Amino acid sequence: QKEVEQDPGPLSVPEGAIVSLNCTYSNSAFQYFMWYRQYSRKGPELLMYTYSSGNKEDGRFTAQVDKSSKYISLFIRDSQPSDSATYLCAMSAVQGAQKLVFGQGTRLTINP
Amino acid sequence: ETGVTQTPRHLVMGMTNKKSLKCEQHLGHNAMYWYKQSAKKPLELMFVYNFKEQTENNSVPSRFSPECPNSSHLFLHLHTLQPEDSALYLCASSLTTTGGTEAFFGQGTRLTVV
Repeated sequence: QKEVEQDPGPLSVPEGAIVSLNCTYSNSAFQYFMWYRQYSRKGPELLMYTYSSGNKEDGRFTAQVDKSSKYISLFIRDSQPSDSATYLCAMSAVQGAQKLVFGQGTRLTINP
Repeated sequence: ETGVTQTPRHLVMGMTNKKSLKCEQHLGHNAMYWYKQSAKKPLELMFVYNFKEQTENNSVPSRFSPECPNSSHLFLHLHTLQPEDSALYLCASSLTTTGGTEAFFGQGTRLTVV
């Protein structure tokens, strides 16, 4: 079983839709959770960071962590064509970037 | 120059060639990383350097040889690679390996081994 599972998609939705991206994990020690966005021919960039359980909102983006279910989500409201990218979840049991475990990434396309 | 810069952006090499990938960060960070990104697979951590010292080698074959002369520069020396080594190689940096969690990535080098 992979430590982090993420549906690779591809996922295609119309502009303006609410997008839900998800990851599940098996390591109950994970407590730092991140979402990275990777545009085509670019490196990943940090989009959202959450420590432990709960929600975090930043503009049109909301990250949710449910540690009891070992499940994290990223919601995108009022999706735009510029949101088209691959979204990678990442998590770690310790602070610092050396032990990040990444999901496979979900390729998302927002159609105008 | 800002962020993390990788050169070259694209590289095609034969299995008997020797080449090097270069990474430079202008963020004042002390930790640098090499990752391999293959299609339909998660990012694979290859090497970690903290204050120029290698702290992690994730069972990477010896045909990949990292070098970190200072906290701002990281190299990946390649020799006698295999076609399955074709992938996007990403460099990243962070404040230290244990301070801060965000890793800043370069744009990657797309490597094709023929």
